[in-house]
Amino acid sequence: KQEVTQIPAALSVPEGENLVLNCSFTDSAIYNLQWFRQDPGKGLTSLLLIQSSQREQTSGRLNASLDKSSGRSTLYIAASQPGDSATYLCAVVNTNAGKSTFGDGTTLTVKP
Amino acid sequence: EPEVTQTPSHQVTQMGQEVILRCVPISNHLYFYWYRQILGQKVEFLVSFYNNEISEKSEIFDDQFSVERPDGSNFTLKIRSTKLEDSAMYFCASRGGTPSRYFGAGTRLSVL
Repeated sequence: KQEVTQIPAALSVPEGENLVLNCSFTDSAIYNLQWFRQDPGKGLTSLLLIQSSQREQTSGRLNASLDKSSGRSTLYIAASQPGDSATYLCAVVNTNAGKSTFGDGTTLTVKP
Repeated sequence: EPEVTQTPSHQVTQMGQEVILRCVPISNHLYFYWYRQILGQKVEFLVSFYNNEISEKSEIFDDQFSVERPDGSNFTLKIRSTKLEDSAMYFCASRGGTPSRYFGAGTRLSVL
């Protein structure tokens, strides 16, 4: 059974700082891994998706990496801004059309 | 930009009543999903649906739950006899030819 853990549970940083969010998973036979952002009381916004054959993906100030063999992914946020404050979730998909397993999320607060 | 829409945004029901949560996936998408998030807990996979049948379901998705794609645009989740513990945010998601799953804003279900 896939288990997904995110560390830290919460993070507070001053504006402008670079930061790394961590996601680990127990079953390395994954299909892909997707990072989401969730604002309070809202839905999930897709940030980045990494296929199992890929090592990293980049979008703007965001960079996600994947190391399947060690069961880890990181989300790097450069030059953080107050608007980045949200909960960041990683989700691991084990089959093409099927189940995805989510972590508990990291709640990020960026202080002006 | 195309988006997944869910209605209603908030549904209040009495315990034992049937509820139907509605979703309109992105128009050219072929894979559909339901998830739930109990307040303060992880997002949990319920079911995936492709080619008019369930692809995969979790242990949460018991006989009280059913899904349907009644026409070319809607995708519904029915809970036959709601329990207090069914109170949660329910998210619909869809995907097309790429692996990224796109989520709706969710329906908050409150069972009294």
